[in-house]
Amino acid sequence: GENVEQHPSTLSVQEGDSAVIKCTYSDSASNYFPWYKQELGKGPQLIIDIRSNVGEKKDQRIAVTLNKTAKHFSLHITETQPEDSAVYFCAASKELTGGGNKLTFGTGTQLKVEL
Amino acid sequence: DAGVTQSPTHLIKTRGQHVTLRCSPISGHKSVSWYQQVLGQGPQFIFQYYEKEERGRGNFPDRFSARQFPNYSSELNVNALLLGDSALYLCASSSLVGSSYGYTFGSGTRLTVV
Repeated sequence: GENVEQHPSTLSVQEGDSAVIKCTYSDSASNYFPWYKQELGKGPQLIIDIRSNVGEKKDQRIAVTLNKTAKHFSLHITETQPEDSAVYFCAASKELTGGGNKLTFGTGTQLKVEL
Repeated sequence: DAGVTQSPTHLIKTRGQHVTLRCSPISGHKSVSWYQQVLGQGPQFIFQYYEKEERGRGNFPDRFSARQFPNYSSELNVNALLLGDSALYLCASSSLVGSSYGYTFGSGTRLTVV
């Protein structure tokens, strides 16, 4: 089955610095790669996503890159702020034989932005 | 508009009991998916329902079952609870069935089995 590895597990940066989180996936049939931010006591919130036919996508301070050949995708956060502190999950989506779809998540990165 | 609504928010059950968790999707969303998130890990796929039919099932034992109602709300049932079933159970809704694009997660139900 699909396996998604995520690194690092914890990341501490100074306010204003950049943060990079990396993921690799195993199933070449995966075609959609969202990133989620999860705060304590809440469900995952989509922050950015990328489809398999796109190499890079940017939304203000957040960008995602995808290398389909290497099965790598990364999240880049620039000008980090204290409110960026949370757990971030990458995920890979594939269609199922029953016509549905499933997300396979990475193990998460605890990002701490220090003042 | 209301987001994905899950109830209850917290629940404590004893080993061997059964539990029913409920989810109301965003208005207009016909697909509901269930995920289990054990503390310190990423969510794991349990089921997906679309138009009241099961469209996907994850690697969970038969103690786990679900259904979707005509109003697209859904229930997740777990029988013969084990300590290892303690987790945050997340529901996600979307308007699509063949893609995870547009998934919106609820805040989850925290289940503790003692």
